Amino acid sequence: GQNIDQPTEMTATEGAIVQINCTYQTSGFNGLFWYQQHAGEAPTFLSYNVLDGLEEKGRFSSFLSRSKGYSYLLLKELQMKDSASYLCAVREGNYGQNFVFGPGTRLSVLP
Amino acid sequence: EAQVTQNPRYLITVTGKKLTVTCSQNMNHEYMSWYRQDPGLGLRQIYYSMNVEVTDKGDVPEGYKVSRKEKRNFPLILESPSPNQTSLYFCASSSLGQPEAFFGQGTRLTVV
Repeated sequence: GQNIDQPTEMTATEGAIVQINCTYQTSGFNGLFWYQQHAGEAPTFLSYNVLDGLEEKGRFSSFLSRSKGYSYLLLKELQMKDSASYLCAVREGNYGQNFVFGPGTRLSVLP
Repeated sequence: EAQVTQNPRYLITVTGKKLTVTCSQNMNHEYMSWYRQDPGLGLRQIYYSMNVEVTDKGDVPEGYKVSRKEKRNFPLILESPSPNQTSLYFCASSSLGQPEAFFGQGTRLTVV
């Protein structure tokens, strides 16, 4: 079966650093993704990990430990526009065709 | 511009009246899928297609149909909509050569 867990809500202050955790249990793991979604809008791709370790893209970094079934998204120098939901998703399947999404973490950035 | 286009963006319909939500992508992606998003439940996959004429059920396929007659189009069909299908629907496409999925703008469906 598939199971992806994330905290439901988080709050942080503008300029701070926040870490959003994701744990997963899936079969046929073929990559872990983080998406950002503003209310009522389409999810947009943030980052992708297929091997263990840290991937950095500007203010955003994502970490993966496959043995622990664990990932986190790190957001630095928070801005008000970072207030959104952050979706952890695992790609699985023989051809990597299925995306299984977690429930999402709603992040509120306060001034 | 590379994009996934869904239509309509908003739809209010009555129970039992057949409807189709269209999805088209211009990136020559092999893989397309439909999701519904409900509060507290996240994105749940309805159906997916690995290529033309190849479709399969996702996690919540009941009450939905799909077809993939052309590579670029992947319509979602509700033969007899019911109120529990009121949701926000997203179409997505991806390619084996690229890791991420690209999403359409979403279709907010209300069934009364």
